[in-house]
Amino acid sequence: GAGVSQSPSNKVTEKGKDVELRCDPISGHTALYWYRQSLGQGLEFLIYFQGNSAPDKSGLPSDRFSAERTGGSVSTLTIQRTQQEDSAVYLCASSLEGSNSPLHFGNGTRLTVT
Amino acid sequence: GENVEQHPSTLSVQEGDSAVIKCTYSDSASNYFPWYKQELGKRPQLIIDIRSNVGEKKDQRIAVTLNKTAKHFSLHITETQPEDSAVYFCAARVYGNNRLAFGKGNQVVVIP
Repeated sequence: GAGVSQSPSNKVTEKGKDVELRCDPISGHTALYWYRQSLGQGLEFLIYFQGNSAPDKSGLPSDRFSAERTGGSVSTLTIQRTQQEDSAVYLCASSLEGSNSPLHFGNGTRLTVT
Repeated sequence: GENVEQHPSTLSVQEGDSAVIKCTYSDSASNYFPWYKQELGKRPQLIIDIRSNVGEKKDQRIAVTLNKTAKHFSLHITETQPEDSAVYFCAARVYGNNRLAFGKGNQVVVIP
Protein backbone atom coordinates (compact mmCIF):
# COMPACT_ATOMS: atom_id res chain seq x y z
CA GLY A 1 0.00 0.00 0.00
CA ALA A 2 0.95 3.65 -0.12
CA GLY A 3 3.50 4.87 2.35
CA VAL A 4 3.74 8.22 4.12
CA SER A 5 3.59 11.01 1.56
CA GLN A 6 5.08 14.45 2.08
CA SER A 7 4.87 17.55 -0.05
CA PRO A 8 6.60 19.46 -1.36
CA SER A 9 9.76 17.41 -1.62
CA ASN A 10 11.82 20.58 -1.85
CA LYS A 11 11.02 24.12 -0.78
CA VAL A 12 13.18 27.20 -1.17
CA THR A 13 11.91 30.30 0.55
CA GLU A 14 13.17 33.73 1.47
CA LYS A 15 13.93 34.62 5.04
CA GLY A 16 10.87 36.03 6.75
CA LYS A 17 8.30 34.19 4.61
CA ASP A 18 5.88 31.59 5.97
CA VAL A 19 5.91 27.98 4.73
CA GLU A 20 3.53 25.06 5.01
CA LEU A 21 4.67 21.45 4.83
CA ARG A 22 2.16 18.67 4.29
CA CYS A 23 2.09 15.05 5.45
CA ASP A 24 -0.31 12.29 4.40
CA PRO A 25 0.12 9.37 6.80
CA ILE A 26 -0.51 5.72 6.04
CA SER A 27 -4.23 5.00 6.09
CA GLY A 28 -5.30 3.64 9.46
CA HIS A 29 -2.30 4.97 11.34
CA THR A 30 -3.50 6.95 14.33
CA ALA A 31 -0.13 8.31 15.45
CA LEU A 32 1.73 11.00 13.50
CA TYR A 33 5.12 12.55 14.23
CA TRP A 34 7.16 15.43 12.83
CA TYR A 35 10.94 15.36 13.11
CA ARG A 36 13.62 17.72 11.83
CA GLN A 37 16.94 16.50 10.45
CA SER A 38 19.70 19.04 10.02
CA LEU A 39 22.85 18.25 8.04
CA GLY A 40 24.92 15.66 9.89
CA GLN A 41 22.55 15.66 12.82
CA GLY A 42 20.12 13.19 14.26
CA LEU A 43 16.36 13.32 14.21
CA GLU A 44 15.02 16.12 16.36
CA PHE A 45 11.50 15.50 17.66
CA LEU A 46 9.06 18.34 16.97
CA ILE A 47 5.48 17.26 17.61
CA TYR A 48 3.29 14.16 18.01
CA PHE A 49 -0.40 13.55 17.33
CA GLN A 50 -2.34 10.54 18.60
CA GLY A 51 -5.98 10.14 17.63
CA ASN A 52 -8.14 12.83 19.16
CA SER A 53 -5.80 13.50 22.07
CA ALA A 54 -4.10 16.84 22.57
CA PRO A 55 -0.83 16.88 20.60
CA ASP A 56 2.55 16.70 22.32
CA LYS A 57 4.13 19.97 21.21
CA SER A 58 7.09 19.80 23.56
CA GLY A 59 9.67 19.57 20.76
CA LEU A 60 8.67 22.68 18.81
CA PRO A 61 11.74 24.97 18.89
CA SER A 62 9.87 28.28 18.96
CA ASP A 63 6.42 29.82 18.68
CA ARG A 64 7.06 30.33 14.95
CA PHE A 65 6.41 26.60 14.55
CA SER A 66 2.93 25.11 14.67
CA ALA A 67 1.21 22.02 13.36
CA GLU A 68 -2.26 20.72 13.00
CA ARG A 69 -3.85 17.46 12.01
CA THR A 70 -7.27 17.60 10.41
CA GLY A 71 -9.74 14.74 10.65
CA GLY A 72 -7.14 12.51 12.24
CA SER A 73 -5.33 12.16 8.93
CA VAL A 74 -3.44 14.85 7.00
CA SER A 75 -1.08 17.06 8.96
CA THR A 76 0.40 20.46 8.15
CA LEU A 77 3.53 21.89 9.74
CA THR A 78 3.69 25.67 9.48
CA ILE A 79 6.80 27.76 10.02
CA GLN A 80 6.19 31.49 10.24
CA ARG A 81 8.79 34.18 9.54
CA THR A 82 11.36 31.60 8.46
CA GLN A 83 14.99 32.00 9.51
CA GLN A 84 18.10 30.52 7.92
CA GLU A 85 18.54 28.15 10.86
CA ASP A 86 15.20 26.58 9.91
CA SER A 87 16.87 25.05 6.86
CA ALA A 88 16.68 21.28 7.28
CA VAL A 89 14.85 18.18 6.13
CA TYR A 90 11.47 17.90 7.82
CA LEU A 91 10.40 14.29 8.20
CA CYS A 92 6.92 13.05 8.95
CA ALA A 93 6.25 9.57 10.30
CA SER A 94 3.16 7.62 11.20
CA SER A 95 2.51 4.46 13.19
CA LEU A 96 -0.45 2.24 14.01
CA GLU A 97 -0.69 3.61 17.53
CA GLY A 98 1.39 5.59 19.92
CA SER A 99 3.15 2.96 21.95
CA ASN A 100 5.76 0.66 20.46
CA SER A 101 4.56 0.37 16.90
CA PRO A 102 7.29 1.03 14.31
CA LEU A 103 7.45 4.48 12.76
CA HIS A 104 7.08 4.68 8.99
CA PHE A 105 8.81 7.77 7.62
CA GLY A 106 8.04 9.82 4.56
CA ASN A 107 10.76 11.03 2.20
CA GLY A 108 10.80 14.40 3.88
CA THR A 109 10.64 18.00 2.73
CA ARG A 110 13.99 19.69 2.23
CA LEU A 111 13.55 23.31 3.30
CA THR A 112 16.10 25.91 2.30
CA VAL A 113 15.77 29.44 3.66
CA THR A 114 17.81 31.98 1.72
CA GLY B 1 13.83 13.93 28.78
CA GLU B 2 15.53 10.88 27.33
CA ASN B 3 19.02 11.46 25.91
CA VAL B 4 20.49 8.97 23.44
CA GLU B 5 24.14 8.91 22.37
CA GLN B 6 25.79 6.80 19.67
CA HIS B 7 29.40 5.67 19.29
CA PRO B 8 31.38 5.79 17.06
CA SER B 9 30.13 8.52 14.76
CA THR B 10 31.77 6.87 11.76
CA LEU B 11 32.75 3.25 11.25
CA SER B 12 34.60 1.74 8.30
CA VAL B 13 34.74 -2.03 7.90
CA GLN B 14 36.00 -4.43 5.26
CA GLU B 15 33.34 -6.32 3.40
CA GLY B 16 32.65 -9.56 5.21
CA ASP B 17 33.73 -8.26 8.61
CA SER B 18 31.38 -7.45 11.47
CA ALA B 19 30.24 -3.99 12.53
CA VAL B 20 29.10 -3.03 16.02
CA ILE B 21 27.43 0.26 16.95
CA LYS B 22 26.71 1.12 20.55
CA CYS B 23 24.10 3.46 21.98
CA THR B 24 23.64 4.68 25.52
CA TYR B 25 20.45 6.10 26.99
CA SER B 26 19.83 8.12 30.09
CA ASP B 27 16.36 7.24 31.37
CA SER B 28 16.06 3.87 33.12
CA ALA B 29 12.30 3.95 32.40
CA SER B 30 12.94 3.54 28.67
CA ASN B 31 11.47 0.27 27.41
CA TYR B 32 11.58 0.36 23.62
CA PHE B 33 14.74 0.54 21.49
CA PRO B 34 14.52 0.55 17.68
CA TRP B 35 17.27 0.89 15.08
CA TYR B 36 16.70 2.72 11.81
CA LYS B 37 18.80 2.63 8.65
CA GLN B 38 18.98 5.65 6.37
CA GLU B 39 20.62 5.29 2.98
CA LEU B 40 21.85 8.42 1.24
CA GLY B 41 18.94 10.57 0.13
CA LYS B 42 16.33 8.14 1.42
CA ARG B 43 13.97 7.90 4.35
CA PRO B 44 14.92 6.18 7.63
CA GLN B 45 13.60 2.63 7.78
CA LEU B 46 13.23 0.35 10.77
CA ILE B 47 15.59 -2.61 10.64
CA ILE B 48 15.20 -4.13 14.09
CA ASP B 49 13.81 -3.25 17.52
CA ILE B 50 13.96 -4.66 21.02
CA ARG B 51 11.86 -4.24 24.13
CA SER B 52 13.17 -4.06 27.65
CA ASN B 53 11.94 -7.52 28.62
CA VAL B 54 14.32 -9.09 26.11
CA GLY B 55 18.13 -9.12 26.19
CA GLU B 56 18.85 -9.99 22.58
CA LYS B 57 17.07 -10.22 19.27
CA LYS B 58 18.37 -11.49 15.96
CA ASP B 59 17.17 -11.19 12.37
CA GLN B 60 19.45 -12.84 9.80
CA ARG B 61 22.71 -10.82 9.75
CA ILE B 62 21.46 -8.21 12.21
CA ALA B 63 21.21 -8.50 15.97
CA VAL B 64 20.55 -6.11 18.82
CA THR B 65 21.63 -6.61 22.43
CA LEU B 66 20.33 -4.69 25.44
CA ASN B 67 22.04 -4.16 28.78
CA LYS B 68 19.51 -2.47 31.06
CA THR B 69 21.89 -2.24 34.00
CA ALA B 70 24.44 -0.28 32.00
CA LYS B 71 21.74 1.46 29.95
CA HIS B 72 23.20 0.65 26.60
CA PHE B 73 22.20 -1.33 23.54
CA SER B 74 24.17 -2.33 20.49
CA LEU B 75 23.56 -3.17 16.85
CA HIS B 76 25.61 -6.02 15.39
CA ILE B 77 25.91 -6.55 11.66
CA THR B 78 27.72 -9.71 10.58
CA GLU B 79 29.17 -10.54 7.16
CA THR B 80 28.84 -6.92 6.08
CA GLN B 81 28.02 -6.16 2.46
CA PRO B 82 28.34 -2.91 0.45
CA GLU B 83 24.58 -2.38 0.70
CA ASP B 84 24.96 -2.13 4.47
CA SER B 85 26.67 1.24 3.94
CA ALA B 86 24.30 3.81 5.44
CA VAL B 87 23.64 5.96 8.49
CA TYR B 88 22.21 3.99 11.39
CA PHE B 89 20.11 5.69 14.07
CA CYS B 90 19.28 4.23 17.44
CA ALA B 91 16.34 5.47 19.46
CA ALA B 92 14.71 5.01 22.83
CA ARG B 93 11.27 5.64 24.22
CA VAL B 94 10.40 6.11 27.87
CA TYR B 95 7.45 4.03 29.03
CA GLY B 96 4.28 6.14 28.89
CA ASN B 97 5.96 8.87 26.83
CA ASN B 98 5.10 9.60 23.21
CA ARG B 99 8.47 10.89 22.16
CA LEU B 100 10.95 8.58 20.41
CA ALA B 101 14.38 10.09 21.10
CA PHE B 102 16.98 9.47 18.41
CA GLY B 103 20.75 9.49 18.55
CA LYS B 104 22.80 11.54 16.07
CA GLY B 105 23.51 8.54 13.87
CA ASN B 106 26.49 6.41 12.86
CA GLN B 107 27.89 6.46 9.34
CA VAL B 108 28.86 2.91 8.42
CA VAL B 109 31.04 2.45 5.37
CA VAL B 110 31.63 -1.06 4.04
CA ILE B 111 34.76 -1.21 1.94
CA PRO B 112 34.56 -3.74 -0.91
